[in-house]
Amino acid sequence: EVQLVESGGGLVQPGRSLRLSCAASGFTFDDFAMHWVRQAPGKGLEWVSGINWNSRKIAYADSVKGRVTISRDNAKNSLYLQMNSLRPEDTAFYYCAKSPCSTGCDSFHHWGQGTLVTVSS
Amino acid sequence: DIVMTQSPDSLAVSLGERATINCKSSQSVLYSSNNKNYLAWYQQKPGQPPKMLISWASAREFGVPDRFSGSGSGTDFTLTISSLQAEDVAVYYCQQYYSSPLTFGQGTKVEIK
Repeated sequence: EVQLVESGGGLVQPGRSLRLSCAASGFTFDDFAMHWVRQAPGKGLEWVSGINWNSRKIAYADSVKGRVTISRDNAKNSLYLQMNSLRPEDTAFYYCAKSPCSTGCDSFHHWGQGTLVTVSS
Repeated sequence: DIVMTQSPDSLAVSLGERATINCKSSQSVLYSSNNKNYLAWYQQKPGQPPKMLISWASAREFGVPDRFSGSGSGTDFTLTISSLQAEDVAVYYCQQYYSSPLTFGQGTKVEIK
């Protein structure tokens, strides 16, 4: 069974940093592209960033570009999101999501339960 | 960026009746080289993460009831729930994966009338 478990969320002041992690299990991690998708409380879904199986193809939403870095460690079956210079508008549930293939088919086949990031002073 | 626009924003349907949700993309998401539409549909119930229902515009995911179907091509797509059940109350999103940035529709809330 595919499992994606996010961690690292919490309350952080504006301008500070946070690192989210996603522990994956139940599938061959390095066979699939992975993504972060966020959802502000009561709002819709917003794709944040994606990374292909070998980390050679990475993309970011304009809203986070330059402030966020996605990475993965295939040996540890883990996905990460380093978030810097956080803003109140970054407040959201952050979901780790698995694509159904290694590259080029970036739908979200499986989702974690999400971790809440709250940016507030 | 490809803008995804869903209609309506919400709808109330009687149990057993049909629910239809539309999704329009600002440019075609049909990839000519493989004739595939890069369009997915998701269901999100309160307090839960989204769940993929349909990929490639019309391919139902394993385990998704056959009352859910997707159709359309190019820029106009439809998710149909043929006979609404109580457990189908949720917000439904379309998403294009034709090009980056990946984008979602604003969501359609489905309720029981």
